Amino acid sequence: DAGVTQSPTHLIKTRGQQVTLRCSPISGHKSVSWYQQVLGQGPQFIFQYYEKEERGRGNFPDRFSARQFPNYSSELNVNALLLGDSALYLCASSLSSGEYPETQYFGPGTRLLVL
Amino acid sequence: AQSVTQLDSHVSVSEGTPVLLRCNYSSSYSPSLFWYVQHPNKGLQLLLKYTSAATLVKGINGFEAEFKKSETSFHLTKPSAHMSDAAEYFCVVSDGYSTLTFGKGTMLLVSP
Repeated sequence: DAGVTQSPTHLIKTRGQQVTLRCSPISGHKSVSWYQQVLGQGPQFIFQYYEKEERGRGNFPDRFSARQFPNYSSELNVNALLLGDSALYLCASSLSSGEYPETQYFGPGTRLLVL
Repeated sequence: AQSVTQLDSHVSVSEGTPVLLRCNYSSSYSPSLFWYVQHPNKGLQLLLKYTSAATLVKGINGFEAEFKKSETSFHLTKPSAHMSDAAEYFCVVSDGYSTLTFGKGTMLLVSP
């Protein structure tokens, strides 16, 4: 079975640019979450989407936005990139079928470097 | 508010010896707790999760964790370390649905 997939795997941008990261959930999973993992730290929650609606948002600036498509895939957009946005961006999917606690399954991540 | 504290940033063991990775949690309600493992250049893999059905939780690859409410702890153990266990381990608390809060991680080093 295919797991969570993310693209691209690596990305280099310069300050001020915009970036779009993509995520495809496990087949049948309806919820997608995004996390930022800065080097040497644990992942931090950015967003969760369920059925195309935002279900949760972490403490990130408005430069970060996301959306979920009818096929449950998702995009994370970051505008006006700063050096501090350099990180591994992780996508996770979950069934959202009433399971409690919900288990999230992670993709391999997109490593973003901002120069 | 919820949080986890992983008490050791690095733990070094010899192959074949027991592993103990310590985690304390803080939660204003009955917590949902997980342990994830991250191998170099790989995504996060779920080791186990606490669902309140049993305080001793068994996971994959011989790992287990014990939920102790009185100590607000959820330590991860394994009787005998293997070289392939070398990785970073994250203790995680959840609100049950959308938000996972990760600890800072414990790097497990296994020497032959």
